[in-house]
Amino acid sequence: QVQLQESGPGLVKPSQTLSLTCTVSGGSISSGSYYWSWIRQPAGKGLEWIGRIYTSGSTNYNPSLKSRVTISVDTSKNQFSLKLSSVTAADTAVYYCARGGVLWGQGTLVTVSS
Amino acid sequence: DVVMTQSPLSLPVTLGQPASISCRSSQSLVYSDGNTYLNWFQQRPGQSPRRLIYKVSNRDSGVPDRFSGSGSGTDFTLKISRVEAEDVGVYYCMQGTHWSWTFGQGTKVEIK
Repeated sequence: QVQLQESGPGLVKPSQTLSLTCTVSGGSISSGSYYWSWIRQPAGKGLEWIGRIYTSGSTNYNPSLKSRVTISVDTSKNQFSLKLSSVTAADTAVYYCARGGVLWGQGTLVTVSS
Repeated sequence: DVVMTQSPLSLPVTLGQPASISCRSSQSLVYSDGNTYLNWFQQRPGQSPRRLIYKVSNRDSGVPDRFSGSGSGTDFTLKISRVEAEDVGVYYCMQGTHWSWTFGQGTKVEIK
């Protein structure tokens, strides 16, 4: 059974780069035709799609974040990653990785604070 | 971006009674392939979102048949035929037709 697990620092300083990794277990990230996505949710608020990467490596980013976001995949490690640069307190949220819209990780809280 | 507007935002329901959530999009969600990529998600307290419905009316595996989706174009509805205690949470519609994909604000379902 395929599972996703987010990992990365829980605290990031303002103006720095947030880096998260999603590890895929129970299946290959290269198999099938899926979008691998990052979504975030500020505390008590709604969901925002950050971006996605297709199994071919092509990416799409939310226009509101596009200048600061990079999503990449490492097939050798069965992982995909998120980098969000120049973070501010507004980037504090639970970050989820997902495969398509069906399979989600448990989420990881990232706080931006000095 | 396509704006998804849900109503109501809060929905108190009596156990065993029906519930209905409306979702409207700012533009048509019919894709060039003829499909309408409108999904519904449930987020129970403290949990990750779970997809219930895809392409307007198709239930995901394991989703009880008391959940149903309907609609077309820009107007969509999620119905729960008889609300159970485990249905408490926030429900989101989400469009996957136009990038970037967008969610509604969420509707909080609670038991009266």
